[in-house]
Amino acid sequence: GEDVEQSLFLSVREGDSSVINCTYTDSSSTYLYWYKQEPGAGLQLLTYIFSNMDMKQDQRLTVLLNKKDKHLSLRIADTQTGDSAIYFCAESPNTDKLIFGTGTRLQVFP
Amino acid sequence: KAGVTQTPRYLIKTRGQQVTLSCSPISGHRSVSWYQQTPGQGLQFLFEYFSETQRNKGNFPGRFSGRQFSNSRSEMNVSTLELGDSALYLCASSGTSGSLADTQYFGPGTRLTVL
Repeated sequence: GEDVEQSLFLSVREGDSSVINCTYTDSSSTYLYWYKQEPGAGLQLLTYIFSNMDMKQDQRLTVLLNKKDKHLSLRIADTQTGDSAIYFCAESPNTDKLIFGTGTRLQVFP
Repeated sequence: KAGVTQTPRYLIKTRGQQVTLSCSPISGHRSVSWYQQTPGQGLQFLFEYFSETQRNKGNFPGRFSGRQFSNSRSEMNVSTLELGDSALYLCASSGTSGSLADTQYFGPGTRLTVL
């Protein structure tokens, strides 16, 4: 079945690292994505990883993929208050749609 | 390049009415997907169009329909509105190649409130 799971909340201190976790179910997914949604806004693509990669780094963002466990994580280094938002992981099985996780609300406090 | 645009941004309707939402994709993109976002159900796929053809459809009733025009702009229509249709409707565009792996870029959404 299609089920992408994330923890609902994460609270971190400014300057610390944040790690947002996601488990997905469809091993045929070619790409896995991370999107960010700020209040009242649409989804902003943050980064994505191809399924044959283990890791991808993009400035403060590091994506780790464990294909065996179907586990995806997003690490944000030096988290800032502007990073406060809801983060969605999404898988893209061999269809033309995205399956989204429940979203993790990241709160950054000073 | 301009991003995905959606109109209107906000809409208030009453039960039983119908509504049409519009989405203009990124220039050159040929695929448009629609998603519904609610607090209870999260983000759910509605349908996807490519070159004026519906390629895939989610698990929504027939009251939800869409179409795509030759310039890739898309509309979705919801008839006989119900209170549960209140949601943020997001449109995403992707692909100049039509590949299923093309990354989707989202618009700001249309917030529909049904009273």
